[in-house]
Amino acid sequence: DAEITQSPRHKITETGRQVTLACHQTWNHNNMFWYRQDLGHGLRLIHYSYGVHDTNKGEVSDGYSVSRSNTEDLPLTLESAASSQTSVYFCASSGGGGSYNEQFFGPGTRLTVL
Amino acid sequence: AQSVTQPDIHITVSEGASLELRCNYSYGATPYLFWYVQSPGQGLQLLLKYFSGDTLVQGIKGFEAEFKRSQSSFNLRKPSVHWSDAAEYFCAVASYNTDKLIFGTGTRLQVFP
Repeated sequence: DAEITQSPRHKITETGRQVTLACHQTWNHNNMFWYRQDLGHGLRLIHYSYGVHDTNKGEVSDGYSVSRSNTEDLPLTLESAASSQTSVYFCASSGGGGSYNEQFFGPGTRLTVL
Repeated sequence: AQSVTQPDIHITVSEGASLELRCNYSYGATPYLFWYVQSPGQGLQLLLKYFSGDTLVQGIKGFEAEFKRSQSSFNLRKPSVHWSDAAEYFCAVASYNTDKLIFGTGTRLQVFP
């Protein structure tokens, strides 16, 4: 069955370190999204991609970057982790191609920055 | 700008009681509206969606929602709540042809036996 996976599921890091969170989908979806979930804010869009080599900034993109070298993967990198980036991160994908396509979510990565 | 408001942060109901979770949206055109559920430690699962047509939509797990354009609302309902419905519920709006979702802040549902 097609799925979307995230790794690691839990990560503890120190302030200033570079961290990369992986997202892999086997739906062959064009669109991929990264969100962060924080109490009182719901889910907020960090970055998104509509296809290979396409990336776009979302609502809360400062301090994050993504790259899309193939259809299946959209890794999220925190260049220099800050305590404010402690959060739960969700990756999602959707088919693309016009109209609206349902987003399918991964299980999430809980990141703690000390 | 598009936005979604869920006025209730936390709701507690008894098992078997009816449930209504409120959602108000701000969007210039006809919105695409969604309700997602998140069980503890899990990702998000789509409960139901509204694109057009019949304003009362049915979803999974016995949930339904009604789109009311005049009130800019898309409230989620269930006639009889089960203990397994305890979770966080998110309302979201998407713009046409982008698949981008804007979420509300969520409502945590607690169910007492």
